[in-house]
Amino acid sequence: KAGVTQTPRYLIKTRGQQVTLSCSPISGHRSVSWYQQTPGQGLQFLFEYFSETQRNKGNFPGRFSGRQFSNSRSEMNVSTLELGDSALYLCASTTPGLAGPDTQYFGPGTRLTVL
Amino acid sequence: AQSVAQPEDQVNVAEGNPLTVKCTYSVSGNPYLFWYVQYPNRGLQFLLKYITGDNLVKGSYGFEAEFNKSQTSFHLKKPSALVSDSALYFCAVRDRDDKIIFGKGTRLHILP
Repeated sequence: KAGVTQTPRYLIKTRGQQVTLSCSPISGHRSVSWYQQTPGQGLQFLFEYFSETQRNKGNFPGRFSGRQFSNSRSEMNVSTLELGDSALYLCASTTPGLAGPDTQYFGPGTRLTVL
Repeated sequence: AQSVAQPEDQVNVAEGNPLTVKCTYSVSGNPYLFWYVQYPNRGLQFLLKYITGDNLVKGSYGFEAEFNKSQTSFHLKKPSALVSDSALYFCAVRDRDDKIIFGKGTRLHILP
């Protein structure tokens, strides 16, 4: 089974621009979560989508948004980029749990650099 | 508030020695706890999880974790460390809103 894939792997943007990141989950997984990883803040939860609906949202400004398509692929968008948005953005898909919370499987991430 | 703490930024262990990476948590209700590992320039890989049942949970790559309810801890352990275990380790808890909260991470260095 193919793992979680994220595109692009690397991005360089300038302040004020917008960016769209893509995530394809493991086949059969219907839940996709996004995280931001920075050296200073560690791993922070952005949002989670399940069956095309946002199920949970972290404490990020409205410049950060996402969506999920009917094939479970997900995109996240960051508008009006700021220098502090430079980070590794990780996507994780979730296996249907038989009992209790699900195990998340992570993609390799998209490294975004804002200049 | 739900939280996870990894008190050590870095742990150094000689190859062949046992290793422990510490994690404590604060949640209301039953805790759902996870350990993940991150190798350089890679995403996170799932190691193991505790939902219920035996306090000792066995996971990938020979790792195990011990759930201690009275001490609210979920320490990651391995009997004999390998150089290839050197990586960044994250403890995580799923809160009652179903969000996953990660600790800050502990960098594990295994010295040959």
